[in-house]
Amino acid sequence: NAGVTQTPKFQVLKTGQSMTLQCAQDMNHEYMSWYRQDPGMGLRLIHYSVGAGITDQGEVPNGYNVSRSTTEDFPLRLLSAAPSQTSVYFCASSYSSGGHGGELFFGEGSRLTVL
Amino acid sequence: SQQGEEDPQALSIQEGENATMNCSYKTSINNLQWYRQNSGRGLVHLILIRSNEREKHSGRLRVTLDTSKKSSSLLITASRAADTASYFCATDGQSGGYQKVTFGIGTKLQVIP
Repeated sequence: NAGVTQTPKFQVLKTGQSMTLQCAQDMNHEYMSWYRQDPGMGLRLIHYSVGAGITDQGEVPNGYNVSRSTTEDFPLRLLSAAPSQTSVYFCASSYSSGGHGGELFFGEGSRLTVL
Repeated sequence: SQQGEEDPQALSIQEGENATMNCSYKTSINNLQWYRQNSGRGLVHLILIRSNEREKHSGRLRVTLDTSKKSSSLLITASRAADTASYFCATDGQSGGYQKVTFGIGTKLQVIP
C-alpha cells in the first residue's frame, strides 16, 4: 500500500492564481482531512470529510475549497492564492471519523509558496 | 481555535534521560492522541488513549490522561538521539455529529548524544 499520497511536493504560485493540491489514499479510509502547518502555529484543520459526498469546515477554511467524489481522493483547491496561504499542507486519513480508532495517517506534505 | 496546547514548547535533554511533555485541552473529548514529526516529514501516530482510560504504555512511551484536569502527559523513557523530533497532541470533538481532530502547537524535543 502506498498510504497517503500528496502531489505536488513543492509549488510556487503568484498571488491570484488558483491551484489544486491532490491527496489520494489506498486504505479505504472514510475520514480524510487537510491541515496547514505554519511556524509557531502547529497544525490547523482546514477542511475534513467523513465519507464520499460529505465535507465540513475546520478551523481555517477561508480561501479553500474541497470536494469528495470518491473514497480515495480529497483534493484541496486554492481559489485565488494569497501570500498568507504560504504554508506546508498535510493531508491525513483515518478508517474512522474519530470516535473509535481514529489514528490519522499523514502524507509527506506539500510545500506551497505564494509570491 | 486550537484545542490542545503542549508544554513546554521546547525541551533539550541528554541521551538516556526521560522526557516529559504535557498537553492541556479545553473541551470534552473522545480520544487523545500523540504524534511525532521528524523535521520536514509528515506526522506519525504514536499512541491513542480513550477518555475512559487513565494510562497507556507502548514500548518506551507512557501516556496519562486526566479528564478532570483536561490534561495529558507523554513520557519518553531512556531517550535516544533518534527521539529528536516535534511531538503533538491531538484531540477530537463533536461538530454536528462529526468529529474534528485538532492539534496543539507541539513540543520540540532535542536529545543530545
